[in-house]
Amino acid sequence: DQQVKQNSPSLSVQEGRISILNCDYTNSMFDYFLWYKKYPAEGPTFLISISSIKDKNEDGRFTVFLNKSAKHLSLHIVPSQPGDSAVYFCAATYLSSNTGKLIFGQGTTLQVKP
Amino acid sequence: EPEVTQTPSHQVTQMGQEVILRCVPISNHLYFYWYRQILGQKVEFLVSFYNNEISEKSEIFDDQFSVERPDGSNFTLKIRSTKLEDSAMYFCASSEWGRVGYEQYFGPGTRLTVT
Repeated sequence: DQQVKQNSPSLSVQEGRISILNCDYTNSMFDYFLWYKKYPAEGPTFLISISSIKDKNEDGRFTVFLNKSAKHLSLHIVPSQPGDSAVYFCAATYLSSNTGKLIFGQGTTLQVKP
Repeated sequence: EPEVTQTPSHQVTQMGQEVILRCVPISNHLYFYWYRQILGQKVEFLVSFYNNEISEKSEIFDDQFSVERPDGSNFTLKIRSTKLEDSAMYFCASSEWGRVGYEQYFGPGTRLTVT
C-alpha cells in the first residue's frame, strides 16, 4: 500500500535557508492532507494541513502547497532552524469517510545544520 | 496544554501473552485512534473509534485485537495473543467533535517488544 509516498528519506539544509519536503499521492479521493513532525521517543505532532479545495496554506514559517493535477504536495520551512530537525510525515485522508483514518508516507528526516 | 498520555512507555511480553496498552485522550475529544509503527517503517492506521463503536479498522486489526473505552477517560488496545511481528511502537491519538479526519493529537507511544 503505497498511496502516500515521500521519496526522499533524508534532507540536510543550512540554518536560515529554505527546507522543501515533498510528498506524492496516488489516490485522487484524498481530500485533506496533513504534515506531522516527529522527534525521537515522541509521538507525531500536527504541523499544518490543507484541504483539496486550496492550493496553499501558510502558518508562520511553514507553508504547504498542493498541486492536485500532479498529486503532489510540499512543505516549505523558511527560515529553517536547528530545532526543526526531526522526521516529517505527510498524511492524507478522506473527510467523506467520516472515520478519520490517516494514511502516512514513510517520512523524511530533516537535519538543519547551524 | 492538554495532551494525550499513554502507559506503559515500554512493554516487554512473551509470544502468546495478552497485553493491554492504555491511553488517556484529551478530555473533550470524542474520536479515538490507534496507529502503530514497526521499526523503520511508516506509521500505520489500526482502528478508529467513536461513540463506543469501531468506525473503521485496517486489515492489520484482526480478531487478536480489540479496543475499549472502559470509562470516561481511558481508551485501551488489547492484543489477545501476541506474535513476534506485533513488536512496534503503538500510538494513540484523539480528535475533537466535528474534527474527525482533521488534525489528530498523538500520544508519546508505547514500545511493545514481543520475545
